[in-house]
Amino acid sequence: QKEVEQDPGPLSVPEGAIVSLNCTYSNSAFQYFMWYRQYSRKGPELLMYTYSSGNKEDGRFTAQVDKSSKYISLFIRDSQPSDSATYLCAMSVTVAGNQFYFGTGTSLTVIP
Amino acid sequence: EAGVAQSPRYKIIEKRQSVAFWCNPISGHATLYWYQQILGQGPKLLIQFQNNGVVDDSQLPKDRFSAERLKGVDSTLKIQPAKLEDSAVYLCASSLIQGPYNEQFFGPGTRLTVL
Repeated sequence: QKEVEQDPGPLSVPEGAIVSLNCTYSNSAFQYFMWYRQYSRKGPELLMYTYSSGNKEDGRFTAQVDKSSKYISLFIRDSQPSDSATYLCAMSVTVAGNQFYFGTGTSLTVIP
Repeated sequence: EAGVAQSPRYKIIEKRQSVAFWCNPISGHATLYWYQQILGQGPKLLIQFQNNGVVDDSQLPKDRFSAERLKGVDSTLKIQPAKLEDSAVYLCASSLIQGPYNEQFFGPGTRLTVL
């Protein structure tokens, strides 16, 4: 079983739609939960991170963590064509150094 | 502020050849990471440095991969000899300090094709 599972999509939505991206994980020791956005031919860039269960909002983006279900989500409101990218969830744990585990990424296309 | 620089951007080699990738992190960033991202997969952490010391290299295939960060700034990742399954994008990232959460800034990556 992979440490982090993420639906690869692809996901295609009309402009203005609400997008829901999800990841599940198996390691209950994960401490931090992150979402990265990766445009084609570019490196990932950090969108949001959370530490505890609950919601964290930043503009049109909301990150949600449910540690009891080992499930995290990223919601994008009023999606824009510029949101078209691959979204990667990532998680970290401190074990002999800090280990970072990424999901496979979900490809999102927002159609104008 | 300049971002993480990587070179070359693209490299094509034949199997059993050697290849090296170079990374220059953001100025002042003590922690440097090398990731391997195979097409359709998320990045996989290979090795991380704190200044010029290795923090963790448990995922690095040490029979063929090596990395160094002399003087705690630039870093080089080498593969010798390359295999077909090494075809991937090699991403370098840096962060200001070490920790389970510290924002990592990624470079554009080096796309390696092994024929």
